[in-house]
Amino acid sequence: KAGVTQTPRYLIKTRGQQVTLSCSPISGHRSVSWYQQTPGQGLQFLFEYFSETQRNKGNFPGRFSGRQFSNSRSEMNVSTLELGDSALYLCASSPGTADTQYFGPGTRLTVL
Amino acid sequence: AQSVTQPDIHITVSEGASLELRCNYSYGATPYLFWYVQSPGQGLQLLLKYFSGDTLVQGIKGFEAEFKRSQSSFNLRKPSVHWSDAAEYFCAAYPGGYNKLIFGAGTRLAVHP
Repeated sequence: KAGVTQTPRYLIKTRGQQVTLSCSPISGHRSVSWYQQTPGQGLQFLFEYFSETQRNKGNFPGRFSGRQFSNSRSEMNVSTLELGDSALYLCASSPGTADTQYFGPGTRLTVL
Repeated sequence: AQSVTQPDIHITVSEGASLELRCNYSYGATPYLFWYVQSPGQGLQLLLKYFSGDTLVQGIKGFEAEFKRSQSSFNLRKPSVHWSDAAEYFCAAYPGGYNKLIFGAGTRLAVHP
């Protein structure tokens, strides 16, 4: 089976812009979770989608949003980018609830 | 608050030496526990996991971990480290409920030849 894929792998944006990141889970996996990784804050949970429904959300501002499509692919959007949004954004897929999460390679976002 | 603690930020070992990376969790009940490894610029690769049952779990690349309820610990071990093991290692837990992993701060492993 193909692993979790994320596109694009690298992004450079300027403050105030918005960005959309994409994640394709492992075939058959219905859950997609998103995490932000920064040197200062480490790995932090953003949100999780299961069968197109957001089930859980981390402590991030409303500028961070996401969605999941019927084929389980997921996107996350960050509006009005700030310098502090520069990070590695990781997507993980899982077959079900409280199951093993498999991570993609991440999207490196740089905000200038 | 629910948390995962990795007390060691950096560890340096010589190639061929044994390795133990520490992880402690703070939860009321036994969470599901994981160890992941991350090479520079890469995503996280699952090394092993503990859900229940045998407290000594085997993983990939020769790693094992032991769950000790009395110490709230889930330490990662490897008997003989290879230079390719140099990476950052993360301990993580599900506190319960949905797929929200809580991660430790990570331990960066350097391997000297």
